[in-house]
Amino acid sequence: DAGVIQSPRHEVTEMGQEVTLRCKPISGHNSLFWYRQTMMRGLELLIYFNNNVPIDDSGMPEDRFSAKMPNASFSTLKIQPSEPRDSAVYFCASSLPAGGLDTGELFFGEGSRLTVL
Amino acid sequence: AQSVTQLDSQVPVFEEAPVELRCNYSSSVSVYLFWYVQYPNQGLQLLLKYLSGSTLVKGINGFEAEFNKSQTSFHLRKPSVHISDTAEYFCAVTRLRRALTFGSGTRLQVQP
Repeated sequence: DAGVIQSPRHEVTEMGQEVTLRCKPISGHNSLFWYRQTMMRGLELLIYFNNNVPIDDSGMPEDRFSAKMPNASFSTLKIQPSEPRDSAVYFCASSLPAGGLDTGELFFGEGSRLTVL
Repeated sequence: AQSVTQLDSQVPVFEEAPVELRCNYSSSVSVYLFWYVQYPNQGLQLLLKYLSGSTLVKGINGFEAEFNKSQTSFHLRKPSVHISDTAEYFCAVTRLRRALTFGSGTRLQVQP
């Protein structure tokens, strides 16, 4: 069974460039989460969607960050313009209709490691 | 608001020794509790979860955790660890219809 698929796995870019991270959730899951992991701040929830609708984006750091979920099988997280402090591993996770927001069982992708020079 | 505190950032232990990773939570309402494991360069995987019922929860790879409401704790234990258990372990909490809040993680280092 295919798990949550994220791309790219690694991205190195220069400050000021636009970065787009992509996520394909597990088929049938209706909740999708974007988390950011850094040594200093640990795992932080950025935003989550339920049935393609953003439910809570209070964790999005600032206007440079935006996330979309145009359909049930695809989501993007965009940073424009990127800054060195955005360097982190970005994880996408999805959950079943009876899980996720109700029981918290998330299925994580392998992450996208972003380095902004 | 809900929060999770993992008291130890690193726990070194010898192979075949027992281990306990500590987790305390705070919430004004009933919560669901989880332990996730992250191996190097991978995403997080669910180890076990407490939703309701028996306070002793058994998970994968021989791990178990005990929910203690009076002490607001959910410590993770394994009676005998293997080298392959070396990883980062995250405690997490959620309440109904809220996303997971993760602790800061505990790095378990199993030495031969």
